[in-house]
Amino acid sequence: EDKVVQSPLSLVVHEGDTVTLNCSYEVTNFRSLLWYKQEKKAPTFLFMLTSSGIEKKSGRLSSILDKKELFSILNITATQTGDSAIYLCAVGTSYDKVIFGPGTSLSVIP
Amino acid sequence: DAGVIQSPRHEVTEMGQEVTLRCKPISGHDYLFWYRQTMMRGLELLIYFNNNVPIDDSGMPEDRFSAKMPNASFSTLKIQPSEPRDSAVYFCASSLGLNNEQFFGPGTRLTVL
Repeated sequence: EDKVVQSPLSLVVHEGDTVTLNCSYEVTNFRSLLWYKQEKKAPTFLFMLTSSGIEKKSGRLSSILDKKELFSILNITATQTGDSAIYLCAVGTSYDKVIFGPGTSLSVIP
Repeated sequence: DAGVIQSPRHEVTEMGQEVTLRCKPISGHDYLFWYRQTMMRGLELLIYFNNNVPIDDSGMPEDRFSAKMPNASFSTLKIQPSEPRDSAVYFCASSLGLNNEQFFGPGTRLTVL
């Protein structure tokens, strides 16, 4: 059965800390892995990863994929209170499946 | 483009009533997704369409749920009869491709009393 696992499920850090969020997957015919950020409203797109070892970067956020070990990490450096959100990982397959993980709830306290 | 549009934004209804949620995807997007989100179960994919055709409805909980996409610019998710356990936020999303970024609508918060 296809599955996407995220860890930790929740995390509390202080402003300025660096955090690493994990997403591992077991799916048939992997195509892509996407990261989303969900604050109080709907999820918004962060990154899409299809190739191993190529880092995607946007400001203080970065992500990388390891297709051999079947995981991805999302790094956030110098965290701010505005980074508080649920971070969702989703995996797409060539068998017409899109599977979301349970999310990591990140709280950044001043 | 205004993004994905959903209506209503909030719906409160009584158990047994029919509920219809509506979605207008971003123009030109070939894929439309319906999700349900609860604290207990997180974000769940219910069904998705490609070019108005349902591709995967394995996430639809039971026969009380049905979804249609009569044309490229409109989709509905219907629950009949509704039950309190259907209370959740229902999101609609659209994308250019299955493995592309999905753009989410603002969601419909459904409360079934």
